[in-house]
Amino acid sequence: DQQVKQNSPSLSVQEGRISILNCDYTNSMFDYFLWYKKYPAEGPTFLISISSIKDKNEDGRFTVFLNKSAKHLSLHIVPSQPGDSAVYFCAASVGGSNYKLTFGKGTLLTVNP
Amino acid sequence: DVKVTQSSRYLVKRTGEKVFLECVQDMDHENMFWYRQDPGLGLRLIYFSYDVKMKEKGDIPEGYSVSREKKERFSLILESASTNQTSMYLCASTYPAGRTGNTIYFGEGSWLTVV
Repeated sequence: DQQVKQNSPSLSVQEGRISILNCDYTNSMFDYFLWYKKYPAEGPTFLISISSIKDKNEDGRFTVFLNKSAKHLSLHIVPSQPGDSAVYFCAASVGGSNYKLTFGKGTLLTVNP
Repeated sequence: DVKVTQSSRYLVKRTGEKVFLECVQDMDHENMFWYRQDPGLGLRLIYFSYDVKMKEKGDIPEGYSVSREKKERFSLILESASTNQTSMYLCASTYPAGRTGNTIYFGEGSWLTVV
């Protein structure tokens, strides 16, 4: 049973526009959510996170929104840049940010110049 | 900067061989993890360790074992490699829960091909 779902395998946007990546989860015990970015042949790098006590967290061009009632979170990238092209993984954990993560399958974002 | 180092980036092994994947972190992290990444499946947790000589199974531990003899080093062992273990393996580390401003850091990955 997949507890973290990224239903869009890929997304293509134009440079300068907004990218919205979505993630749904089923386990109501999850209390910490993270987004990781991954380039080919490299390990994932941490992008942004949000605790379940918040509904929004912003860091520069990246904003994560959490809707607990819908068990849904989204990552907004504004403005999108070609260097943002990568696979984005949504992840969730129980017990804060340091315990084991459950990942979604990832969404390949392509930002076209 | 946090450094999680996986000693082998690319390996080719034969079916039935014993394979060791080594991971070292330099941040004195208590928690260490091994994931594998496969196309269309995302990252799946194999094993994790929250202290020296302590380990717990993740979601897909079958066919794997681990060793944590020193705090900075976490090894993944394939006792008898099989072709379905061809994958990218990712090591990660972090502090225990309760520390603020913390996150999980990943190594660059080890590509294993079993032929």
